[in-house]
Amino acid sequence: AQKVTQAQTEISVVEKEDVTLDCVYETRDTTYYLFWYKQPPSGELVFLIRRNSFDEQNEISGRYSWNFQKSTSSFNFTITASQVVDSAVYFCALRGNTGFQKLVFGTGTRLLVSP
Amino acid sequence: DAGITQSPRHKVTETGTPVTLRCHQTENHRYMYWYRQDPGHGLRLIHYSYGVKDTDKGEVSDGYSVSRSKTEDFLLTLESATSSQTSVYFCAISESQGMNTEAFFGQGTRLTVV
Repeated sequence: AQKVTQAQTEISVVEKEDVTLDCVYETRDTTYYLFWYKQPPSGELVFLIRRNSFDEQNEISGRYSWNFQKSTSSFNFTITASQVVDSAVYFCALRGNTGFQKLVFGTGTRLLVSP
Repeated sequence: DAGITQSPRHKVTETGTPVTLRCHQTENHRYMYWYRQDPGHGLRLIHYSYGVKDTDKGEVSDGYSVSRSKTEDFLLTLESATSSQTSVYFCAISESQGMNTEAFFGQGTRLTVV
């Protein structure tokens, strides 16, 4: 079975602080993809990034960076110099190469950035 | 933004009544999904479709049925709504079923069963 764990239910930071959202996954698939989605207060789900299991290079996009470590089955998401607009619920998800290849989501981490 | 429209956006219904939620896409994507979002559970797959008239169950399909008579429309029906089906429902689409394919989500439908 596949599982995604986001142990941090809610994180509160002050603007300009750096924050890391943790994601730990379980899968028996040899090949898989990992995703991050953002759900702002307006409610929609916004795709942020995908990463395949063979590429452990860190990814940086502006203030966002992702650290994939296969050895610890983690795909953590860091926001540098957080802003109020970063306040949202963030979901990590996994998609393997067996069965229907459905997206399996974690329970999400709510990030609150205060001015 | 992916062209996905869910209707209605909000609904309050009584226990025991049937309810149908609609998902309409303009992207001509083959795959469509219904998820529900609940606190502490994240998003869970209810049903999915891999083509017109081709559907299958997800992990929380009990009490739900779906239909897809056209590529662009995917309907989710609660045959007899229960309070446990109070949730936010999301429709999603994807172009393929490859591992590397992200799903794009609609705006969600907030359903309250009283």
